[in-house]
Formats: sequence, structure tokens, C-alpha cells
Amino acid sequence: KQEVTQIPAALSVPEGENLVLNCSFTDSAIYNLQWFRQDPGKGLTSLLLIQSSQREQTSGRLNASLDKSSGRSTLYIAASQPGDSATYLCAVRVETSGSRLTFGEGTQLTVNP
Amino acid sequence: NAGVTQTPKFRILKIGQSMTLQCTQDMNHNYMYWYRQDPGMGLKLIYYSVGAGITDKGEVPNGYNVSRSTTEDFPLRLELAAPSQTSVYFCASRPRDRGLANEKLFFGSGTQLSVL
Repeated sequence: KQEVTQIPAALSVPEGENLVLNCSFTDSAIYNLQWFRQDPGKGLTSLLLIQSSQREQTSGRLNASLDKSSGRSTLYIAASQPGDSATYLCAVRVETSGSRLTFGEGTQLTVNP
Repeated sequence: NAGVTQTPKFRILKIGQSMTLQCTQDMNHNYMYWYRQDPGMGLKLIYYSVGAGITDKGEVPNGYNVSRSTTEDFPLRLELAAPSQTSVYFCASRPRDRGLANEKLFFGSGTQLSVL
């Protein structure tokens, strides 16, 4: 059974700092990995999706990497801003799970002005 | 640009009551999902559907039922509500077609349910 873990559970940084969020998964036979952002009281918004054959994806100040062999993904946020404050979740789709995703618990990020 | 719409946004139920959480999407997506999110936890899949007339169980289906009579709608039914079903419920959808862009999920804004 796939298990997804995110460390740390919460992170507080000053504005302008570069930061890394971590995601680990137990079953390396993944089809893809997706990073989401969740604002309080809102649904999830997909930020980046990495296929199993890819090593990284970039969108603006966000960069997500994937290392299947070690079961890890990182989300790198450059020059953080207060507007980046949110909970970030990663989710993996295992090859044998059809279209289902397994989510981590999320990292709650606070960027202080 | 409605996307995925969930109703109601909030609901309080008494133990043993029943209700239906509504979800509709206007993007002609084949795949639809119901997740629940407990405080400080990730999302757990309740049920999903790959198209009208087809549904399947996720990780935590007990106490819930779904139907998919149209492409647009995917209601979630709670029978005999229990305190353990207090949670935030999210509906999501995505296209069926292959391709990187079609793997991204689109979420509704959620229904916060309390069972007292």
C-alpha cells in the first residue's frame, strides 16, 4: 500500500527566503506526482505535475523534482512572499491504482513579512 | 468559469440523519472523485467514477453511497450519519484523455460537515 509523508508539518520563514518542502512515498512504481496548494477554507489547486519519466517541472518561482528510486520529491519555492502562505500537499498516482491518488498530510507554510 | 461546484458549503447533521452532498462540473470531465479531509490530515478517497454509470470504491467508502447518472453530476449520499463522518468533503474532476495536462485534478471548494 502506498504511503505518502510530508516533512515538516509546518514551516515559518521570513519573506524573501528560498525554501524546500519534502514529500516521500513508499512505492516507487508511481505514474506521476502532483503538488497542490490549499488556502484556508478553499479547495486544492494543482501547482505542478511530474510524470514518472521526468526529473523536474518548473512554473515561475516553483520547481518540483522527482527521484523515483529514493521515493522522494521536493518543492522548491524561490524568493518566498507572504502570498505563498498556504498548505502544500503532494499526491502520487501509483501505476496499478488506476486513476486514484494517494495524498500526504501537507506542509503548512507561513511566510512572514 | 464555474468549474467544480459543491453544495452546500456548510451543514450540521444530527446522528442518524441522512443527506446528499451535491457536486457538479461543467468541464465535460469523465473522471470524478469524492475525498474527505480530516483536520491536519491528507485527503482520503471515498468513491470515484470514470464515467456516467460507472462508480468504484476508494479507501474509505463505508457509510457512503454514490451515483453517476450524468457526466456533470456526482452526488455523495450519507446514510445514518455518525460523528466519525465529521469532516470536510471535496469533489474533484479531470478529463479522461491521456496527456500531462489532463492528469491535473480540479477541485471544488468543499463542504464542511459536522455530525453532532
